[in-house]
Amino acid sequence: GAVVSQHPSWVICKSGTSVKIECRSLDFQATTMFWYRQFPKQSLMLMATSNEGSKATYEQGVEKDKFLINHASLTLSTLTVTSAHPEDSSFYICSALTPLIPGYKLRTDTQYFGPGTRLTVL
Amino acid sequence: AQTVTQSQPEMSVQEAETVTLSCTYDTSESDYYLFWYKQPPSRQMILVIRQEAYKQQNATENRFSVNFQKAAKSFSLKISDSQLGDAAMYFCAYGVYNNNDMRFGAGTRLTVKP
Repeated sequence: GAVVSQHPSWVICKSGTSVKIECRSLDFQATTMFWYRQFPKQSLMLMATSNEGSKATYEQGVEKDKFLINHASLTLSTLTVTSAHPEDSSFYICSALTPLIPGYKLRTDTQYFGPGTRLTVL
Repeated sequence: AQTVTQSQPEMSVQEAETVTLSCTYDTSESDYYLFWYKQPPSRQMILVIRQEAYKQQNATENRFSVNFQKAAKSFSLKISDSQLGDAAMYFCAYGVYNNNDMRFGAGTRLTVKP
């Protein structure tokens, strides 16, 4: 249980193009998903919180027009890196939050992570 | 603001031995969660253990256990009978209910020597 998938696992693109990354919760519904960025040998940095049916909440310093987030359903959130540049090259990780429901089959109120997407912008 | 501090950038343990990873945090909240996540070379973040702050009993998951000291704001992870597969980056994390603001420590890289 609590499986989160991410697609693609790696992507190489040219500078100026846009890249879409999908995050899916496979066996549970997640009203809230999160997008993180991780540089080599560093910790995870929260970029934004994605809530189903509403606008994403971005962390300070994260450009919302560059990193477009859409939480279209209870199992899918997408991150689109628009007009990508080499400095956007990084490892992007999503997570999905399990519902806060007593007796839920999974650990409640816990983030489960996708396997990550390595983005390289040439 | 909540902060999470892992003061050990690297740790090493002999296979089958026990190792303890340290974590301290700062918060003004009374109700919150604490987590240890493992990130192996595959970079998949894996939940190791979770502790609710209102629970006095320390969480355990097989060979993994925590020493939660709420007053001291300390949350250490003990790995018993270390295995080669335990080698990874370990991140301590803090989150409030609804978990909309989880914060991670800088991580501790654990090496397991055969």
